[in-house]
Formats: sequence, structure tokens, C-alpha cells
Amino acid sequence: EIEVTQSPATLSVSLGERATLSCRTSQSVGRNLAWYQQKPGQAPRLLIYGASARATGIPARFSGSGSGTEFTLTISSLQSEDFAVYYCHQYIVRPTWTFGLGTKVEIK
Amino acid sequence: EVQLVESGGGLVQPGRSLRLSCTASGFIFGDFEMTWVRQAPGRGLEWAGFIRSKLNGGTTEYAASLKGRFTISRDDSNNIAYLQMNSLKTEDTAVYYCARIYPGLGSSGWFDFWGQGTLVTVSS
Repeated sequence: EIEVTQSPATLSVSLGERATLSCRTSQSVGRNLAWYQQKPGQAPRLLIYGASARATGIPARFSGSGSGTEFTLTISSLQSEDFAVYYCHQYIVRPTWTFGLGTKVEIK
Repeated sequence: EVQLVESGGGLVQPGRSLRLSCTASGFIFGDFEMTWVRQAPGRGLEWAGFIRSKLNGGTTEYAASLKGRFTISRDDSNNIAYLQMNSLKTEDTAVYYCARIYPGLGSSGWFDFWGQGTLVTVSS
């Protein structure tokens, strides 16, 4: 099973600042990585797939990069609605999809 | 608009069974593989299992920790995916989400739409 490690566990950021979230996989997944946003009491929402493609309706301030085992989600200028938990998800290997434990982005 | 609505959660005693439903709309349900993901209180996301489309055999796969107790099925005529959970344990307490698998080329696909989830509490 491919392990997915996210860092940091919590990221404190001020409104308008840039947030950089990291995700590492235990073996190469190519570009088969997605990012999801989850707000309290809500379902996860797809942000990024294919490591860098934004899902429909996702603002341009969200960007993804990386390949192989190292990936990054960047939120260029944090808005109040962006405070949430972010999960990365590798999907190269079927049937064992795996998620990271999440990074909580909180207000500094 | 794609919508997924889970139902069937609730309080159940250890050792009992429960069946969850995921009712889909806004897309051709039979063309897509569907998956279940669970989230224990205050924890991260755990993939539970998925079902292939009938075109791909309609077969199922499960997380190793759940194999033998959980069964996924589908009713394409009514656009519903089911998760049958047997011999429930207290550690099965979680919100259960269904999601649609988007078939990425050369990959196992990502989860592009999720339902709002249904809470299952296993307790005596």
C-alpha cells in the first residue's frame, strides 16, 4: 500500500497570505494525485486532480504542482472561506486508494 | 447538476447490520464506478470499497480491513449504490460518504463528486 504523508499537520496563515501545503507518497505515483478541501460538517470537495489540474469552479488562487513522490498545493492569497482541512489522495494504484491525514489551515 | 445523497445511517448495536444507500442524480449512473469512503470522528478519510460499472463487470473491491464484513452493490435502474455493513464494531463509527469515481486515463481515477455523508454510530 502506498503511504501518503502530509505536512505540516496545521498551518497558521493570515488573510491574504500564501499557504503552501506538502504531500509526499512512499513510492512514485506519477501525476496521479488529487487534493480535496473539507470544511467542518461538510463533505470533501475536489480541488485538484492530475497533480495540477483545477476541478470545475475552483478559483485560480488554488494551484497544484509536483510529480513522482513530492507534491504541493499552494493557495496564493488566503480568503476567509479557505480555512479548512486539505487532504491529498493518490490514485495510481487500484484498488487501494489512500489519503494523507490532512493539513488544517487555520487563521493566524 | 451531479448530486449524491446518502441515507440509512443511525445508531446500531455492536454485532448488528446496517445498509446505507447512495442515491445519484444528474449523470448517467450506470456509466460510472462508485466508491465509499468513511471518516471516523475527528479523523481523516479512509477508503472503504468500490464497485465497478456493469460494463466493467460490476465487481467490487474492499479495503483489507473491511473485507468480509462490508458489501457494496448497485441498482442502476434506480441510480442507487448500497453499502451493506455486517458484524459492526464500535470502530466502524464514522461518517460514510459515497463518491463518484472519475475515470482518469491510465489511473484508477479520482473522486470528483461526494455526497454529504451519513453518520453511523455503533454503540451499545
